[in-house]
Amino acid sequence: DTGVSQNPRHKITKRGQNVTFRCDPISEHNRLYWYRQTLGQGPEFLTYFQNEAQLEKSRLLSDRFSAERPKGSFSTLEIQRTEQGDSAMYLCASSLVGFRHEQFFGPGTRLTVL
Amino acid sequence: KNQVEQSPQSLIILEGKNCTLQCNYTVSPFSNLRWYKQDTGRGPVSLTIMTFSENTKSNGRYTATLDADTKQSSLHITASQLSDSASYICVVSADNNNAGNMLTFGGGTRLMVKP
Repeated sequence: DTGVSQNPRHKITKRGQNVTFRCDPISEHNRLYWYRQTLGQGPEFLTYFQNEAQLEKSRLLSDRFSAERPKGSFSTLEIQRTEQGDSAMYLCASSLVGFRHEQFFGPGTRLTVL
Repeated sequence: KNQVEQSPQSLIILEGKNCTLQCNYTVSPFSNLRWYKQDTGRGPVSLTIMTFSENTKSNGRYTATLDADTKQSSLHITASQLSDSASYICVVSADNNNAGNMLTFGGGTRLMVKP
């Protein structure tokens, strides 16, 4: 257990539905990252927050994706009008500020879009 | 473009045997290299981290090496156990002024240890 928690752990939804995932980082970590991982691949960066500010978004983050970190603590990732191609593991990680600080990963949320 | 390539993609070994996983990278400017272990359905967990000046780092039965000149790293697992079955991901961090997308992930090596 790294101290980063994610809920739910698994989500099955029908195409076109909206889904929301939650990430609770390690409490003193001011950076929070979202990644997507498909089977047999390494994680791909989606977006990250420093405190409550969303500082960077990947091209992978289409208009159907939105992430928030309203109070600089937990974060949510919402996917609207889900598509089958959204099926993946969504990983959250947190760290202290600075590229030398290790990112600690949560257990992930496995999304399956039918 | 920053890239991390890992080989082999998958590996099956017998319990008790040793194995070595490879990682080649083209990430600039280089900051550090980590090996992560990812159990099926779980998030990655860090095993070792090495900076430019370090060429070997051990964590129990795991030993990582780094050759910054050839931009290669290896992860050696000694006396493998069934619990070593997992994906091993090589992750290279770029020294790019605190940008969020600072990590480049390899595709991982899927290791299966059989009794």
